[in-house]
Amino acid sequence: DTEVTQTPKHLVMGMTNKKSLKCEQHMGHRAMYWYKQKAKKPPELMFVYSYEKLSINESVPSRFSPECPNSSLLNLHLHALQPEDSALYLCASSQVLGGGGYTFGSGTRLTVV
Amino acid sequence: GNSVTQMEGPVTLSEEAFLTINCTYTATGYPSLFWYVQYPGEGLQLLLKATKADDKGSNKGFEATYRKETTSFHLEKGSVQVSDSAVYFCALSVLNTGNQFYFGTGTSLTVIP
Repeated sequence: DTEVTQTPKHLVMGMTNKKSLKCEQHMGHRAMYWYKQKAKKPPELMFVYSYEKLSINESVPSRFSPECPNSSLLNLHLHALQPEDSALYLCASSQVLGGGGYTFGSGTRLTVV
Repeated sequence: GNSVTQMEGPVTLSEEAFLTINCTYTATGYPSLFWYVQYPGEGLQLLLKATKADDKGSNKGFEATYRKETTSFHLEKGSVQVSDSAVYFCALSVLNTGNQFYFGTGTSLTVIP
């Protein structure tokens, strides 16, 4: 298995909703990442997990809450989002932190209404 | 610090034309270099990579050579196809530096029949 799987592919949520994005990989990678990508822009790093521990939080608002239940899974919990949070959310993994190239999932297209 | 400077787009080419997308970098330490491709509505896919000076990465007819003397990693393809229309991101990473995976701004390529 050489993929990163993200669900759902599309999500529409209201500003008072709570939802979660899921990411799964079975490549034995020990580093996992959440990125946010706006249209026509490069991905922006949000969170980094290394060996299931939060390694980097790039000053992301608390309405985004990451969770790494085990080495294969990464969640992003969403609560009280704003319309400007609408974007493509990408999960990625790598063998170790910062090394070897990242494998990206196909993303979740989030729309906040 | 670490950064990637990428050729501005958008680029429009006719089918079978020669493609060059310029990418230069600055890095502390010894970076690995990557080209990622993003097709419309999808996540990022690793196109090719090079991990040390003078390495040539290649895939699907695309090539890029890691040039330490000019700090460059230009993407080339001899004959583009309509299916190559996508956004191309140059990126670098430095092992064990707490992520750090740096993207260029992306170059949008449109190939017309």
